[in-house]
Amino acid sequence: GENVEQHPSTLSVQEGDSAVIKCTYSDSASNYFPWYKQELGKRPQLIIDIRSNVGEKKDQRIAVTLNKTAKHFSLHITETQPEDSAVYFCAASVQGAQKLVFGQGTRLTINP
Amino acid sequence: ETGVTQTPRHLVMGMTNKKSLKCEQHLGHNAMYWYKQSAKKPLELMFVYSLEERVENNSVPSRFSPECPNSSHLFLHLHTLQPEDSALYLCASSQDWRGYYEQYFGPGTRLTVT
Repeated sequence: GENVEQHPSTLSVQEGDSAVIKCTYSDSASNYFPWYKQELGKRPQLIIDIRSNVGEKKDQRIAVTLNKTAKHFSLHITETQPEDSAVYFCAASVQGAQKLVFGQGTRLTINP
Repeated sequence: ETGVTQTPRHLVMGMTNKKSLKCEQHLGHNAMYWYKQSAKKPLELMFVYSLEERVENNSVPSRFSPECPNSSHLFLHLHTLQPEDSALYLCASSQDWRGYYEQYFGPGTRLTVT
């Protein structure tokens, strides 16, 4: 079955700097890659997703890139702000089905 | 209340108890999910329901028994649990279980097995 590895497990950046979180997946049939953000004590929420037919997607300060050949995808956050502090989870699923396999999560801390 | 709700929010139970977790979605979605979130482990998909029919069971022990009486409600019946079952149990829903739809999560039930 699918296996998703996520790195780093913790990340600390200065406010205004960029943050990058990377994930690799094992199943070449996976074609849907969402990213969820979970603030402390709150529920996970989708922040961006990408399908395998595109290589990059942007939404304001957030972008996701996908390399199907290498089977990895990354989350990029630019101009980080204190409210970006949270745990971020990547996930992958096969054939668009909602049977998501999640990475271990990255705890991002933005230092003022 | 809107979105996805879960009750109770906290539950402490002994290993011989029987309890149930409840999830309700007010979004008109057709698919509902149970996840387990343990410390330092990824979110683990347990069950997927589509229009009250179970479409996925990820090798979950039989001491966890799901029930979906209609597309808005989902239960997780618990019996003879083990201490390692202590975790945050999250319910989620999406428009459909196939396709590229956002999953909307509930606030979770924090379960402690003593």
